Amino acid sequence: DGGITQSPKYLFRKEGQNVTLSCEQNLNHDAMYWYRQDPGQGLRLIYYSQIVNDFQKGDIAEGYSVSREKKESFPLTVTSAQKNPTAFYLCASSTQGSYEQYFGPGTRLTVT
Amino acid sequence: GESVGLHLPTLSVQEGDNSIINCAYSNSASDYFIWYKQESGKGPQFIIDIRSNVGEKKDQRIAVTLNKTAKHFSLHITETQPEDSAVYFCAATTGNDMRFGAGTRLTVKP
Repeated sequence: DGGITQSPKYLFRKEGQNVTLSCEQNLNHDAMYWYRQDPGQGLRLIYYSQIVNDFQKGDIAEGYSVSREKKESFPLTVTSAQKNPTAFYLCASSTQGSYEQYFGPGTRLTVT
Repeated sequence: GESVGLHLPTLSVQEGDNSIINCAYSNSASDYFIWYKQESGKGPQFIIDIRSNVGEKKDQRIAVTLNKTAKHFSLHITETQPEDSAVYFCAATTGNDMRFGAGTRLTVKP
């Protein structure tokens, strides 16, 4: 089965701790994206990567970091510098030059 | 800055009726428009798209229309079914920049 997976589905952390969210795809897509979804708001782009070993900041990159060491994987680290980390995080991928993004099931992060 | 927004946060329709969800965008240079469906606890799923050189596109019970003059595009669902209940997101693309609206929750009453 081809697809994009995120794990875990639910994640709980204490304030001040860094946490890494996993995103893996076996669609052979070059581009991968991380979005944050908050109630009543559209998806906001955190980081994106068009190719391995390269990534760019999105609209709300502060307090987050990413890596793209492999084509299949694009993990997102939510650092303690992120002021409001509790949210639903969505990872997506697309083929090069395509606007159609395939989304993972999401990870709901709760920081207390 | 650029914005994309839906006109209504919620929409309730009777099973079998037609549904229309509207989305407005601010950048007249936007050239590609997409609708996604998100069911509870899941990621958004692509349902239909339209390019700026086309006025309408259909796919079975789903259609999208684009009004470039008014800068809005609409999702049309004919004979709405209970399984259509979900949050629907619109997105507009300008070059490599894609912007999402906040979502409209569609509820289908039996």
